[in-house]
Amino acid sequence: ETGVTQTPRHLVMGMTNKKSLKCEQHLGHNAMYWYKQSAKKPLELMFVYNFKEQTENNSVPSRFSPECPNSSHLFLHLHTLQPEDSALYLCASSQDGGLAGGPRDTQYFGPGTRLTVL
Amino acid sequence: KNQVEQSPQSLIILEGKNCTLQCNYTVSPFSNLRWYKQDTGRGPVSLTIMTFSENTKSNGRYTATLDADTKQSSLHITASQLSDSASYICVVSPNSGGYQKVTFGTGTKLQVIP
Repeated sequence: ETGVTQTPRHLVMGMTNKKSLKCEQHLGHNAMYWYKQSAKKPLELMFVYNFKEQTENNSVPSRFSPECPNSSHLFLHLHTLQPEDSALYLCASSQDGGLAGGPRDTQYFGPGTRLTVL
Repeated sequence: KNQVEQSPQSLIILEGKNCTLQCNYTVSPFSNLRWYKQDTGRGPVSLTIMTFSENTKSNGRYTATLDADTKQSSLHITASQLSDSASYICVVSPNSGGYQKVTFGTGTKLQVIP
């Protein structure tokens, strides 16, 4: 295990539902991330949080709303989703939120939540 | 536009054989390149990372090479095992522009068969 847990592992929801994805890291890291992984497409970075502050929003539609109450927890609130939002949603954490390529920037991923929007 | 292209898209090899996966990129200015392994149903796991000044990095049976001049990287797997069956993703980070400029490849899906 990587030290990053995600719940639920699978979620099926209708377009009018509201649901939340949860991520928890047990590594003492300061940065957390949400990614979307669709079939045959590259990983897409959605949000970056560093010391609980959002430092990156990669033009994500407002129907996805992140929340980071502390450095160990990250949520992704979902509402009024579209079928094309069906994907694997991955959470990751790293010691630091930089891109320099050192070991402190290495991201540890959770197993993901497989989301299906009907 | 920054791009990362990986080849082949998929590969089937016999257990015990070697294989090489390719990654070509256009990300500039370059900072570092990572290879990730993603097992089915799991998140990616970092295998290697190389910065501009490094041209090879090993992690057990995995050896990554980098040619920053030609903007190419390869991941060589030696004496493959069934557990190597996974997708391998190449990720290139720039030294400016922030996270929006980090570019992911679509991955190579490797299947090792007995």
